[in-house]
Amino acid sequence: KAGVTQTPRYLIKTRGQQVTLSCSPISGHRSVSWYQQTPGQGLQFLFEYFSETQRNKGNFPGRFSGRQFSNSRSEMNVSTLELGDSALYLCASSWGGLPPPSGANVLTFGAGSRLTVL
Amino acid sequence: QKEVEQNSGPLSVPEGAIASLNCTYSDRGSQSFFWYRQYSGKSPELIMFIYSNGDKEDGRFTAQLNKASQYVSLLIRDSQPSDSATYLCAVIISGNQFYFGTGTSLTVIP
Repeated sequence: KAGVTQTPRYLIKTRGQQVTLSCSPISGHRSVSWYQQTPGQGLQFLFEYFSETQRNKGNFPGRFSGRQFSNSRSEMNVSTLELGDSALYLCASSWGGLPPPSGANVLTFGAGSRLTVL
Repeated sequence: QKEVEQNSGPLSVPEGAIASLNCTYSDRGSQSFFWYRQYSGKSPELIMFIYSNGDKEDGRFTAQLNKASQYVSLLIRDSQPSDSATYLCAVIISGNQFYFGTGTSLTVIP
C-alpha cells in the first residue's frame, strides 16, 4: 500500500513569508503527527491530529499551526517565517486508536519537506 | 530531565561485530518502545518495537526492555557497513504521543 506522502519535498522561502506543507497518510491511518528535525535538536514534536482534532501539541510558538481534513490528510502552516525555522519537517501517520491492532501504534514517516528560510 | 536519553556517539564497530545501542527513559508509565533507523538525508524507518519486559528478536536485531531500570537497548549482530546510520529510540508515555531521543550515530567499519 502507498506510504506517507509529503509535499512539497523542498522549498525556499524568505523571512516573514508563510508556508503550508501537506501530508497524506497511509490509507486507514487516522493519526497524523508532525515533527521538526534540525541537526542540533533532533526530532521535535509539533502536534498530532486524530479524526480532525488536535490531540497533542508540542512546545512550539503559535506561528506553527495545523489541521486535519475528513480524509485524514493534514496540513501544517508556519507564518512569519524566521531563519531558525529552516529544518526538515516530517509527517508521520499511525492507526492512532486504542488498542492498536498490531500491539503498538507504529509511526510511519514520510520523506519530509525540507524548508530553507533565507 | 528529558523524557528519552541516548548517547549521541558516534559509535564505531568493526564489520561483523555486535553493536549495542542504549536508551533510558524518565517516565515509569511509558508503555511502548521503538527503535528507528535514519540514514543521512532520509526519514526514520522502524526497526522494531517492544512493550513487554525481556528480549525481542528480529533477524540480526534484538531489542531488550527492562522497565524496572527504565532502560531499552538495541543489539545489532553481525554488523554490516549498511547498518551505518543514526538510531533513534522513542517511547509512548500515554495516548499516542511519541517522545524521541536525539539519536546515536553508528558507523560500521569494513
